Amino acid sequence: DIQLTQSPSFLSASVGDRVTITCRASQGISSYLAWYQQRPGKAPKLLIYAASTLQSGVPSRFSGSGSGTEFTLTISSLQPEDFATYYCQQLNSYPRTFGQGTKVEIK
Amino acid sequence: EVHLVESGGGLVQPGGSLRLSCAASGFTFSTYWMSWVRQAPGKGLEWVANIKEDGSEKYYVDSVKGRFTFSRDNAKNTLYLQMNSLRAEDTAVYYCARDNWTDYWGQGTLVTVSS
Repeated sequence: DIQLTQSPSFLSASVGDRVTITCRASQGISSYLAWYQQRPGKAPKLLIYAASTLQSGVPSRFSGSGSGTEFTLTISSLQPEDFATYYCQQLNSYPRTFGQGTKVEIK
Repeated sequence: EVHLVESGGGLVQPGGSLRLSCAASGFTFSTYWMSWVRQAPGKGLEWVANIKEDGSEKYYVDSVKGRFTFSRDNAKNTLYLQMNSLRAEDTAVYYCARDNWTDYWGQGTLVTVSS
């Protein structure tokens, strides 16, 4: 199975900060990576797919980059509604594993 | 508007069975792969299974192989997850999702396996 390791697992940031989350895959997955946001008590929401394509309706402050084994999710200017947990998922092979999550909290 | 609504969750004893359903609307159901993803209380997301548009291909995470069966009824726009031989570690919120980069998710249904 492909392992995805997110870093950091937890980060504390302020409104307006630039935030970067990294997802590393245990083997190459080309660009078959998605990013999701999950607010407490809610279902996950797709933010980025194919490593760097912004899902329709998602604010442009979110961006994704990378290919192969290293990927990043960047929030250019953190907004109050962005405080949530973020997950990466690989869709290159089965089982379609997720990273362990990165919780973004208010500083 | 895409809408996915899960049902069928509840409390079941270890070794018991449960069948989850997911009613889909707002898109052409029969042209999409579909998935189940679960989340244990306070834990991360775990992909469980997916199924091809016509039900002819299915893939499962190892931990549920032989115990869970994923099926679909395209005439009813509904998914089913038959869960047998349930274990405590199957306790989770189960989400159905459209398998197009997992772009739409239901609200989830809680399955609790406990004596």
